[in-house]
Amino acid sequence: GAVVSQHPSRVICKSGTSVKIECRSLDFQATTMFWYRQFPKQSLMLMATSNEGSKATYEQGVEKDKFLINHASLTLSTLTVTSAHPEDSSFYICSAATQESNTEAFFGQGTRLTVV
Amino acid sequence: AQKITQTQPGMFVQEKEAVTLDCTYDTSDPSYGLFWYKQPSSGEMIFLIYQGSYDQQNATEGRYSLNFQKARKSANLVISASQLGDSAMYFCAMRELPHSGAGSYQLTFGKGTKLSVIP
Repeated sequence: GAVVSQHPSRVICKSGTSVKIECRSLDFQATTMFWYRQFPKQSLMLMATSNEGSKATYEQGVEKDKFLINHASLTLSTLTVTSAHPEDSSFYICSAATQESNTEAFFGQGTRLTVV
Repeated sequence: AQKITQTQPGMFVQEKEAVTLDCTYDTSDPSYGLFWYKQPSSGEMIFLIYQGSYDQQNATEGRYSLNFQKARKSANLVISASQLGDSAMYFCAMRELPHSGAGSYQLTFGKGTKLSVIP
């Protein structure tokens, strides 16, 4: 099946710094990428949807200035957590879809962010 | 109201036995898709099985089968011949397809069921 690569898998950063997470579709063109956040022992919560070449659509309650999403090409979307704080520590995971792939959403491996 | 309900926070099953993980959903759209994912402790989301709302037959993928009861809006996952490696979180998810062909294919997830396989 299609492969989505997410990097880094783990990151520890100091409070106040910014962290960039990359999500790449390796063998297909992703017209849409999704960013999810997952707290321990909880489900995945959609943060935002990004379409190539346009602004991301954020879910209610997600700060767009804090979680910057860029989908510059059909194979790459990035999530930047700006001025990270300990409460931003979480598991972030992306998924990618094409217009044709309505039977499967392809997920990256996830990024475990720890802000100290 | 929750769109996806998984009522079993945790389940135990004996190795080699079958287990059913429950999932009910809520939608007024006639066109939708139902997914099951496995999430081991490493965090990756592993796609298991898909059922489209118009599919006439229940989906099967190896040891996984989906018991799709449309009128009851349920899409239970059946794992046959459980293995120790099946121990993980299992998430049911729904995708409501865009009406016009445009729009995103986002998934709505249930809260998950933690399956533990006992040797």
